[in-house]
Amino acid sequence: GESVGLHLPTLSVQEGDNSIINCAYSNSASDYFIWYKQESGKGPQFIIDIRSNMDKRQGQRVTVLLNKTVKHLSLQIAATQPGDSAVYFCAENFLNNAGNMLTFGGGTRLMVKP
Amino acid sequence: DAMVIQNPRYQVTQFGKPVTLSCSQTLNHNVMYWYQQKSSQAPKLLFHYYDKDFNNEADTPDNFQSRRPNTSFCFLDIRSPGLGDAAMYLCATSRDPRRDTQYFGPGTRLTVL
Repeated sequence: GESVGLHLPTLSVQEGDNSIINCAYSNSASDYFIWYKQESGKGPQFIIDIRSNMDKRQGQRVTVLLNKTVKHLSLQIAATQPGDSAVYFCAENFLNNAGNMLTFGGGTRLMVKP
Repeated sequence: DAMVIQNPRYQVTQFGKPVTLSCSQTLNHNVMYWYQQKSSQAPKLLFHYYDKDFNNEADTPDNFQSRRPNTSFCFLDIRSPGLGDAAMYLCATSRDPRRDTQYFGPGTRLTVL
């Protein structure tokens, strides 16, 4: 379902440190998960995805971990840079009669301090 | 290099005055989506087209309509915008509606006066 909120949780990290952004998803039938990065005034940008038959996937400087037992997803960013400052959304994807449903989590704002 | 293009990037309209937002894609994807995103909130799906088949979300107001004249283009029509319709409107595409990555355009910021 839709996440509603006036205030996004914020993670503040020092440049060069690692960042971990967490997400709890809602539907145990979800079988595909995506992390998006959204910079101010722009559309969401695909970062990395993972299917439910995996529990870890690595990209360039990013790693996604999936724990289906507790319905938890995390995004790890190594050596965080100022350009990583953005809002990060996890999205879960499950199939219903209307086709795929991409449901977004509430988002986390990442602020990188130089 | 643009893949999902939205025009205009910023749109100002008056209360009750119909407005149309456009989206085009160069990916030849079968599915096109429209989302509404309000400040500090996650995108909310309004509807999507799978080829010519229109799929409306149950809670999308009748004030919002969509047209897809061909594979490349999709339009969002707001028949009588209210102040509460001010938001960022995002278009997205995917090859297939099943477990496929959606690619988003830059969005159109709608202001209602």
